[in-house]
Amino acid sequence: QSVLTQPPSASGTPGQRVTLSCSGSSSNIGGNTVNWYQQLPGTAPKLLIYTNNQRPSGVPDRFSGSKSGTSASLAISGLQSEDEADYYCAAWDDSLNGVVFGGGTKLTVL
Amino acid sequence: QVQLVQSGGDVKKPGASVKVSCKASGYTFANYGVSWVRQAPGQGLEWVGWISPFRGNTNYAQKVQGRVAMTTDTSTSTAYMELWSLRSDDTAVYYCARVKGIVVESNDYWGQGTLVTVSS
Repeated sequence: QSVLTQPPSASGTPGQRVTLSCSGSSSNIGGNTVNWYQQLPGTAPKLLIYTNNQRPSGVPDRFSGSKSGTSASLAISGLQSEDEADYYCAAWDDSLNGVVFGGGTKLTVL
Repeated sequence: QVQLVQSGGDVKKPGASVKVSCKASGYTFANYGVSWVRQAPGQGLEWVGWISPFRGNTNYAQKVQGRVAMTTDTSTSTAYMELWSLRSDDTAVYYCARVKGIVVESNDYWGQGTLVTVSS
C-alpha cells in the first residue's frame, strides 16, 4: 500500500489530453513539493516534473504539473504513442522522514 | 554528459549481504546527493535512502533502517549501497540517481539499475 495514491491505469487516444492524479496528505504533498517520473518499459525512471510544475530541460511542454492542497496532477496534452509508460508521483514525507512514491499509473495510448 | 554506471546483477542467499556500486561521471560528484531507489519485479518504485557525498550524511527508509549503509568515495566518484540480512522481499532492481539541487525527491539522472535476487 503506497503512501501516495494513484489510479492504477489510465488511457487516451492520440492527440487527446489526459490527466493523472496523485493524492496524499498534509505530511507529504500538503507541505512539500511534488515530482513526477515517467518509466518506459524496461528502463530507468526519468524525471518529468519537479517542484510541482517545473520541467527539466528536454521535457516537452506537452507535460505539465500542478498541485492543490494534498493532491497533485500531471497533464499530458497532444498524447502520443511514445507516452505509453508508467507514471509515478513522489514527495517528501515529514512524518516518515523520507521520500514516498505513488503506486504508479500505467498509461495506455489506444 | 552526466552518467551513472552501476555494478552488475547479483544472486544472494537469504541472510547474506550485497554491495552495489554506482560510478558517476560528467559532473562534480561531491556537489550532488545520491539517492537509491528500488523496484521489485512488477511493482512500483520504493525509496531506499540517500547520501550527501560532500558531508557524508545519510537518510534511510524506515523499512531498511538498520540493514543498510550508504557510502561514497569522492576520489573515484563512486557511491555504494550495502544491504545485509537479505530477505526474499529485497529482490529488486536497485537504482542510484543524482539528486537535483537540494530536493532529495528530485532525481534528474539515473543509473541503469542493478538486479539483486535473493533466493535459496
